[in-house]
Amino acid sequence: EAQVTQNPRYLITVTGKKLTVTCSQNMNHEYMSWYRQDPGLGLRQIYYSMNVEVTDKGDVPEGYKVSRKEKRNFPLILESPSPNQTSLYFCASSLSRENLYGYTFGSGTRLTVV
Amino acid sequence: DAKTTQPTSMDCAEGRAANLPCNHSTISGNEYVYWYRQIHSQGPQYIIHGLKNNETNEMASLIITEDRKSSTLILPHATLRDTAVYYCIVRVSHTDKLIFGTGTRLQVFP
Repeated sequence: EAQVTQNPRYLITVTGKKLTVTCSQNMNHEYMSWYRQDPGLGLRQIYYSMNVEVTDKGDVPEGYKVSRKEKRNFPLILESPSPNQTSLYFCASSLSRENLYGYTFGSGTRLTVV
Repeated sequence: DAKTTQPTSMDCAEGRAANLPCNHSTISGNEYVYWYRQIHSQGPQYIIHGLKNNETNEMASLIITEDRKSSTLILPHATLRDTAVYYCIVRVSHTDKLIFGTGTRLQVFP
């Protein structure tokens, strides 16, 4: 089944403890992206990647890092999480820059930083 | 980047057509209109997209006005499972960046 898989689904952590949220897609998509969703603010893009080793900042990149060493994986790294990064996170992928079929989203990761 | 405006919420009776409007008056000529929906806190789900012609697929129809300043998503026979937040999105030109607004919360009632 074509899908985007995020792990973990739920995570509670403490301020300053480095964490990684994994994202993997099995559709050979070139484009991958991370979003966060907060009440009243909708989905906001954190980082995106047009292809392997090509990443760029979205609208709210502060406090996050990403890497794209292989096509299928696009992990989101929080080096020193803070409470304002408590949010619902979604990974998404799409076919290419010329994509006409929309994004496929993962099921989400609910992160709580205390 | 073109912005979209949608009503905050709408109701629809089960079995009836749900018509969800969206304004995108600053859309550029080569920017697509996409519709997604999000059921509870699941990942958003692609519904349909279009450029200037009306589009239909197994989920919905998309009607885009001739001046492209607004569009309407039509769910022809709404079911309880269509209760969700519906996002009208304009895709930024030459990128795959989608700018989500706050969407319309559609409540389908029995």
